[in-house]
Amino acid sequence: DQQVKQNSPSLSVQEGRISILNCDYTNSMFDYFLWYKKYPAEGPTFLISISSIKDKNEDGRFTVFLNKSAKHLSLHIVPSQPGDSAVYFCAASTSGGSNYKLTFGKGTLLTVNP
Amino acid sequence: DAGITQSPRHKVTETGTPVTLRCHQTENHRYMYWYRQDPGHGLRLIHYSYGVKDTDKGEVSDGYSVSRSKTEDFLLTLESATSSQTSVYFCAISLQGNTGELFFGEGSRLTVL
Repeated sequence: DQQVKQNSPSLSVQEGRISILNCDYTNSMFDYFLWYKKYPAEGPTFLISISSIKDKNEDGRFTVFLNKSAKHLSLHIVPSQPGDSAVYFCAASTSGGSNYKLTFGKGTLLTVNP
Repeated sequence: DAGITQSPRHKVTETGTPVTLRCHQTENHRYMYWYRQDPGHGLRLIHYSYGVKDTDKGEVSDGYSVSRSKTEDFLLTLESATSSQTSVYFCAISLQGNTGELFFGEGSRLTVL
C-alpha cells in the first residue's frame, strides 16, 4: 500500500508561470516531509523540507505548503524556469524514530517550456 | 560536502550470476541506505544500515543482502540476479540524523539479461 502518493505523473508549464506539484500521504505518523529533484543520470538532490509543526516553508522560488488535516502537501515554484525541468519526488519520514528512513512517492516529471 | 562513490556505475550481467554494488562514503556518517529507482515506482528502499554490522530490511529486500564491515562501505549483493532486478540503484547517507534528509550518490545502472 502506497503511503506517499504523487498522482500526477507529469506536469507541463510555461516559463515564468507557477508550477504546483502535489503530494498526498496516508500514514499519520509522518511528521517530516521533503521534496527532492532529480535530473536524468544523476542522483536525487534535496530541495526543501517542512516539519509538521509548520504549514509553510519558503526558500527562494520554492515554497512547500503542508495541510495536515488533509494529509496533503504541495510544492510551488515561482517563477518556473527551464532549468527546473526534472522529476520531483515527495518524501516523508517519522523523525521521532531511531532509524531515519524516507518513504518516497513515484515522482512527477515537470517540464518547463521556454 | 558529503562524498559518496558508487561502483560500478554501469553493469550488464546474466540471470543467475551474483552481483555486488559498492557504496563508499568519506565522512563517517552513521546511516546508509540502498534504494532502487524504477519507472512507475519511484524510489524504493531495499536495505539500510545504522552502524557497522547493523542493518535492516526495507520495503523491497527480497533477493538482496547487504553488509557493512566498515563505517565507510555499504555493500549490496544480489546473490542470483534476475531480470526483475534490472534497475538503477542509489546509495544514500543521512546528513541530518533526526529528520531523514538524505544525500544520494550518482547511481549504479544494472542490467540483468
